[in-house]
Amino acid sequence: AQTVTQSQPEMSVQEAETVTLSCTYDTSESDYYLFWYKQPPSRQMILVIRQEAYKQQNATENRFSVNFQKAAKSFSLKISDSQLGDAAMYFCAYRSGLHNQGGKLIFGQGTELSVKP
Amino acid sequence: KAGVTQTPRYLIKTRGQQVTLSCSPISGHRSVSWYQQTPGQGLQFLFEYFSETQRNKGNFPGRFSGRQFSNSRSEMNVSTLELGDSALYLCASTYAGGAANEKLFFGSGTQLSVL
Repeated sequence: AQTVTQSQPEMSVQEAETVTLSCTYDTSESDYYLFWYKQPPSRQMILVIRQEAYKQQNATENRFSVNFQKAAKSFSLKISDSQLGDAAMYFCAYRSGLHNQGGKLIFGQGTELSVKP
Repeated sequence: KAGVTQTPRYLIKTRGQQVTLSCSPISGHRSVSWYQQTPGQGLQFLFEYFSETQRNKGNFPGRFSGRQFSNSRSEMNVSTLELGDSALYLCASTYAGGAANEKLFFGSGTQLSVL
């Protein structure tokens, strides 16, 4: 069975600074996707960034980027130029590449990010 | 385009009762998944429905069930409620859910409190 682990329950960053959230996962599959989701107080999960396992290049979305280390099964999220609106719970998630598994995500425990002005 | 809509937003029930939660996916989406979120267990996958059929199932007792209608709207039911069922229940939809690169869209959830 696949597992996702986030070892940092809480993180704090100064506004305009950079922060990195850690995530490790375990799987025996070769085809899979990894995601970072943001959950603000509104509770709605928002996709921040995703990474296809077969792609060596790290994904980037504006101020958000990942460091994907497939051999180490590590998938960290870097937030540059942190903004007050980045404060939220962040979840790392895994999705199998097997057909018809698209609706099933395996989540880590989450990291609560606070941003100090 | 309207997003994923979950009703009600909040619900209070007592132990032993049953509850039904509703989820309307984004128009055109045919796959609906349900997740339970608690402080202790985090986010856990309950089940997924596609074309009115349960396609995937998580590791939850039979008290948790669901269904999907021909218009893709889905309901989940929890019977004989226990205190531990208190949680935020999230629904997510995607077009077909067959491919891992399909984007999942989440609703804002239903907060269930069992007293």
